Amino acid sequence: NAGVMQNPRHLVRRRGQEARLRCSPMKGHSHVYWYRQLPEEGLKFMVYLQKENIIDESGMPKERFSAEFPKEGPSILRIQQVVRGDSAAYFCASSPGTGDEQFFGPGTRLTVL
Amino acid sequence: RKEVEQDPGPFNVPEGATVAFNCTYSNSASQSFFWYRQDCRKEPKLLMSVYSSGNEDGRFTAQLNRASQYISLLIRDSKLSDSATYLCVVNKRNYGGSQGNLIFGKGTKLSVKP
Repeated sequence: NAGVMQNPRHLVRRRGQEARLRCSPMKGHSHVYWYRQLPEEGLKFMVYLQKENIIDESGMPKERFSAEFPKEGPSILRIQQVVRGDSAAYFCASSPGTGDEQFFGPGTRLTVL
Repeated sequence: RKEVEQDPGPFNVPEGATVAFNCTYSNSASQSFFWYRQDCRKEPKLLMSVYSSGNEDGRFTAQLNRASQYISLLIRDSKLSDSATYLCVVNKRNYGGSQGNLIFGKGTKLSVKP
């Protein structure tokens, strides 16, 4: 049973470009969460999705960030017009239900030049 | 007050030592509690859930005190491979938010020396 998969593992973008981060949850998990970890900081919640629905986006910046989890395919975290401050590790987690233990993918390390 | 607070450490201990980590949380309505470990530049990995009755998994024992909003992790007979950052995690209960997302402490760094 494959774990949570994320790609790419490393992503380099120049300021103003777009970044797309992908996450495939564990088999049987329909709940997906995105977290961001800045250098030397703890993980911060960004958004919680179920298939085709955003359940909680209270941690998402108001501009430039969006997330989706379509009926088919992986969840996508999209960052438009990236800035240097977006450089961080972005982790995706999945769970079978709300309040259950969450299992994390290996993360995508975004570097903005 | 931070939602989840931990002593950042580092805790430097010799192999075989017993070490304890503490954590406090601010939201009394939190319902689920966990300890995760995170190795350098890796993803967090679930170590154990924490229950009110306390629970043990091998060398690891977790305790929860709801009245004091306090969580602990005890590691006995520490190994070199226990060196990592230990993250105290609680779920976010509804204050207009979902139950789904987790609130992470910044972590306590443990270094076990030979």
